Amino acid sequence: DVVLTQTPLSLSVTPGQPASISCKSSQALLHSDGKTYLYWYLQRPGQSPHLLIYEVSSRFSGVPDRFSGSGSGTDFTLKISRVEAEDVGVYYCMQGTHLPHTFGQGTKLEIK
Amino acid sequence: QLQLQESGPGLVKPSETLSLTCTVSGDSISGSNYFWGWFRQPPGKGLEWIGNIYYSGSTYYNPSLKSRVTISVDTSKNQFSLKLTSVTAADTAVYYCARVAAPWGQGTLVTVSS
Repeated sequence: DVVLTQTPLSLSVTPGQPASISCKSSQALLHSDGKTYLYWYLQRPGQSPHLLIYEVSSRFSGVPDRFSGSGSGTDFTLKISRVEAEDVGVYYCMQGTHLPHTFGQGTKLEIK
Repeated sequence: QLQLQESGPGLVKPSETLSLTCTVSGDSISGSNYFWGWFRQPPGKGLEWIGNIYYSGSTYYNPSLKSRVTISVDTSKNQFSLKLTSVTAADTAVYYCARVAAPWGQGTLVTVSS
């Protein structure tokens, strides 16, 4: 199975400051169809996961532009340009290139 | 607006079969070029992919559960379902259905206990 390793596992950010989460894969995530199926989700407390980014860098419908995704191969990053109070929760990366699909351990973001 | 809703028993006895249904509204399972999937999250833990199904019935399962899992689709009801046999306490989790990769349903807690 593909192992996704997220760092850090937790971070505390002052509102208005940036944040960055890394997701490193044990295998390259480029699919034979030319796409890279790397997703980022936010799970707010008591809610189901909400898709932020798909295929590495495409923002899902309604996601603020302060969220951005980048990377290729085995190294991927989610960046929040200016953290807001509503961004608290656990962030997960997920790969859909290889079976079984797998998730990172999650990164808990809290507000200072 | 696409919405998914899980339904099924919240309590299942050990060794029995867990059965859940996902009802899709706002889109047709048979008319969309998407996979539909099941995921789960044990209390306080991370996310696990269970399996996907295409409207044609093609399925893909997590090998860790493959011998116990069946996902099926009923296009006439615009639903897809999950069956997990021989459950144990380790199968206690919130179960989510989703159109891969979004949106997800709100989730339903299934507890395995006698």
